[in-house]
Amino acid sequence: QQQVKQSPQSLIVQKGGISIINCAYENTAFDYFPWYQQFPGKGPALLIAIRPDVSEKKEGRFTISFNKSAKQFSLHIMDSQPGDSATYFCAATYGGATNKLIFGTGTLLAVQP
Amino acid sequence: EAQVTQNPRYLITVTGKKLTVTCSQNMNHEYMSWYRQDPGLGLRQIYYSMNVEVTDKGDVPEGYKVSRKEKRNFPLILESPSPNQTSLYFCASSPYRINNYGYTFGSGTRLTVV
Repeated sequence: QQQVKQSPQSLIVQKGGISIINCAYENTAFDYFPWYQQFPGKGPALLIAIRPDVSEKKEGRFTISFNKSAKQFSLHIMDSQPGDSATYFCAATYGGATNKLIFGTGTLLAVQP
Repeated sequence: EAQVTQNPRYLITVTGKKLTVTCSQNMNHEYMSWYRQDPGLGLRQIYYSMNVEVTDKGDVPEGYKVSRKEKRNFPLILESPSPNQTSLYFCASSPYRINNYGYTFGSGTRLTVV
């Protein structure tokens, strides 16, 4: 119940295309769903996050779509650029006393020029 | 600059030789946590701390120790490292309500135990 399942494991997209990464969860107590972006040699950095009371959140070329009934959420990267090439992690938490983030297994995105 | 600083960035050690990875944050965050990152497994929490002198186990605490004597520092201690602790380690911190801010991660420590 604590897992967050992420797919695909790797993704190759042409420049200008749309990158889509999917995540699914079981624990309905989760109330915060962030996405982290990690470049080689760096720590993960918060990219965008959503709460379950909204179905979509957009920040620039990055959009989270959230389906509460299906317990799924996804990251869409529009007009993908080579600079977007990184590992992306979805995560979930219910906050509480532990402040614990539960991460997906990561998606390695390569955007080809 | 607001940041989480880990040292060292790279470390090669031998089985059984005690080591400490340091972590310091300058954002006055209450929460700090250690994660390890392994291929295909994502990031898994080792230990976390809600405040000074308050620590608790995460999902994979075996073989690790932590302490939180000061708010800014949260060192990770491997008393007797073994090869299965070869991994990429991240320290992270957050304000009291992670739901609003998320974690800030350090740049990582790549540990190899031979």
